[in-house]
Order: sequence, then structure tokens, then C-alpha cells
Amino acid sequence: AQSVTQPDIHITVSEGASLELRCNYSYGATPYLFWYVQSPGQGLQLLLKYFSGDTLVQGIKGFEAEFKRSQTSINLRKPTVHWSDAAEYFCAVGAPNFNKFYFGSGTKLNVKP
Amino acid sequence: DAGVIQSPRHEVTEMGQEVTLRCKPISGHNSLFWYRQTMMRGLELLIYFNNNVPIDDSGMPEDRFSAKMPNASFSTLKIQPSEPRDSAVYFCASSLVQNTDTQYFGPGTRLTVL
Repeated sequence: AQSVTQPDIHITVSEGASLELRCNYSYGATPYLFWYVQSPGQGLQLLLKYFSGDTLVQGIKGFEAEFKRSQTSINLRKPTVHWSDAAEYFCAVGAPNFNKFYFGSGTKLNVKP
Repeated sequence: DAGVIQSPRHEVTEMGQEVTLRCKPISGHNSLFWYRQTMMRGLELLIYFNNNVPIDDSGMPEDRFSAKMPNASFSTLKIQPSEPRDSAVYFCASSLVQNTDTQYFGPGTRLTVL
């Protein structure tokens, strides 16, 4: 069965530090992968998506993600975290033969001053 | 460009009352999704439509929930009768293509059932 796992429920980093949020998926081929961010009281906003091609994907707000087929992962990274990045981050997977779009359980990011 | 529009943004009602949530997808999008988000269960897909036709409603919790999409620019999610455990944030999202394209989310409706 298709699934998405975000192993970290909460992460705290200091402002100015680097960030990596983990996401693993389960699927027999290369799926379409997405990272969304949800600020408190807001809807989900797309940060980036991976469909094919270059395994390093650039997104908005300085985020990037690297797709690793052998590890069935697409981890989200940011070199320098800002206080405004505090939010919840969701990884999601879709594919042509999926009936549904699967979301992970989310990772809440806290940024220390 | 107008994004996905949801109304109301907040709804407080009493147990047993009917609740109707509304969604206007992005113009030109063919697929529409209803999600529910709670602390306990996270983000759950309730139902989705493709070209106004319900494709998969297996996520709808029970018969008290129903959803319609009478045309390409409007959808409703109805709960009748409502119960306190239905309290959650309900999101509507739309996309151009069913499950291979970016889903664009509305701001959500925060429902509180007393």
C-alpha cells in the first residue's frame, strides 16, 4: 500500500541554523512528491514538487528537497532558518494510478531566537 | 488570481444542527478535494470529485456526512446531524489533474460543535 512517513513530529532549531525535515514514501515506482507548509490558522501552501528529472528540487522561501530513489525519501532542507519558518510541514505523494493523494502526518517546526 | 474560496471561515453550532460548508475551486480546475484536519488524526481526505463526479468517498466518516458538486465552480460538504466529534478544520483543495498535479488549498473552515 502507498504511504508517506514523516518520522519527526516536532523539531526545534535555532534561528540561522540549517534545517532538514525527513520524508519517506512507499510506492513501487517513482511517485509525484510534494512538500507543503501550514502556518498557524492557515491553509496549506505548496513549497515544492518533484515529478521527474533532476533530483534536487528548488522551492519557494529558500527551501529545497533532494529525491533519493534508493532510500525512497525526499527530505526538505533549508540552509538558514528564519523565525518566520515556524510552521507545520507536510510531505505528500501522488501518482497516476493512485486513487488518492497521500499526506504524511506532518512535522511541526519551532524556531528558537 | 483568486485561490480556493471557502465559507464560512468559522462556524459554531450546537449538537444536532445541520452544518453546510462551501467551497469555490480555482477556475479551470477539474478536481476538488475535501479534507478534515484534527490534532488526533491529522489531515484526512474525506472525498474527491473529478469533473464534478464523486470518485472516492471512502474517507467520509459516516452517513451524517454528504458532499455535492452541482457544477464546476461550487461544492458543499454537509453534516447532518452534527456531533461534537465533528469539530475540526475542514479544507477544500482543487487541482487541474486528479492526483498528479499540485493541490491548492483554501483557508479552511474551523467548525466547532458544542
